Amino acid sequence: AQTVTQSQPEMSVQEAETVTLSCTYDTSENNYYLFWYKQPPSRQMILVIRQEAYKQQNATENRFSVNFQKAAKSFSLKISDSQLGDTAMYFCVYDNFGNEKLTFGTGTRLTIIP
Amino acid sequence: DSGVTQTPKHLITATGQRVTLRCSPRSGDLSVYWYQQSLDQGLQFLIQYYNGEERAKGNILERFSAQQFPDLHSELNLSSLELGDSALYFCASSVRQGGLGHQETQYFGPGTRLLVL
Repeated sequence: AQTVTQSQPEMSVQEAETVTLSCTYDTSENNYYLFWYKQPPSRQMILVIRQEAYKQQNATENRFSVNFQKAAKSFSLKISDSQLGDTAMYFCVYDNFGNEKLTFGTGTRLTIIP
Repeated sequence: DSGVTQTPKHLITATGQRVTLRCSPRSGDLSVYWYQQSLDQGLQFLIQYYNGEERAKGNILERFSAQQFPDLHSELNLSSLELGDSALYFCASSVRQGGLGHQETQYFGPGTRLLVL
């Protein structure tokens, strides 16, 4: 079974700084997808970024980018120029190719300090 | 706004009771997924429906059941409720079934917060 590990339960950073959230996963599959979802205090689950395992290029979405290391099974999220609205729980999520059951990590609670 | 709607937003009930949670997927989405987010077990996949048929099952208790109707909305039925069933229940939707070489991102509804007293 696939597992997703987020080793940083909580992080905080000053507004406008850059922060990196770590994630490792375990799978024997070659094709899969990885996501970062954020859950702000409203508890809504919001997609941040998506990475296809067959793509070598790291995904970027405005201030959000990932460092995908397939051999190391590592998938970190970098948030640049952090904003107060980035305060949320961030989940690293694995999706097996063709099997759409999402496997969530335990989350990292990120607080942006004014 | 993801386009996925869930009702009710909050539900308070007593142990032993039965409740129904409702989900309307985004327009055009054929797949619906149910997830449970509890404090002690995190976020867990419960069940998936595609175009009215059950496609995948996760850690769903026998006391729980779901269905997807012809108009593609879905209901999650929770019966003989226990204190431990208190959680946030999410519905998500995506366009396709998967397994066809293409994965569709799942978009989540706002959730239904269930409190069992």
